[in-house]
Amino acid sequence: NAGVTQTPKFQVLKTGQSMTLQCAQDMNHNSMYWYRQDPGMGLRLIYYSASEGTTDKGEVPNGYNVSRLNKREFSLRLESAAPSQTSVYFCASSEGVGAGTQYFGPGTRLLVL
Amino acid sequence: QKEVEQDPGPLSVPEGAIVSLNCTYSNSAFQYFMWYRQYSRKGPELLMYTYSSGNKEDGRFTAQVDKSSKYISLFIRDSQPSDSATYLCAMSSTYSGAGSYQLTFGKGTKLSVIP
Repeated sequence: NAGVTQTPKFQVLKTGQSMTLQCAQDMNHNSMYWYRQDPGMGLRLIYYSASEGTTDKGEVPNGYNVSRLNKREFSLRLESAAPSQTSVYFCASSEGVGAGTQYFGPGTRLLVL
Repeated sequence: QKEVEQDPGPLSVPEGAIVSLNCTYSNSAFQYFMWYRQYSRKGPELLMYTYSSGNKEDGRFTAQVDKSSKYISLFIRDSQPSDSATYLCAMSSTYSGAGSYQLTFGKGTKLSVIP
């Protein structure tokens, strides 16, 4: 099993450009999450989807949108990128039972100039 | 006060040492406690999780939770250079529906094990 996969691995954008980060999981998990990780700030939740067909805001949703395309896929869109969105983005999934432990993808490093 | 406090280090130890990593928290509603390991330029990987208070052991790793003190620990015995990574504590907080929980993370402690 591949677990959680993310594309692209690395991206450079100019201010104002848009892009979509893709995430897919093959563990049949109900819930999926998008985080950003910045030095000194730790992991912060952007958006999550508790189950297919639902999405909700996390701690830092401004400037982002998400789509839960199906049970496997959860995408994150930056409509008009800003330098403050330079970060490493992680997607995670959880089976939605018990401890709610989450399994992470390898990350997308985004640089906005 | 931050919900979860974790000393960022860095922590440097000789190979074979016992390592103690810790987090404190303020929210008494936390029930599930996890430790993640993150190698440089990689995603966090789940190392251990425990429910409520008590100990859990897995090989060289032991996780402890003391809910009365709002304090969790991860011990690594016989540390190896391959243990060099950033260790993140995490706690299940808000129930999000459909059986899922949001996690609150510590900022991570960077550990280096020197050969």
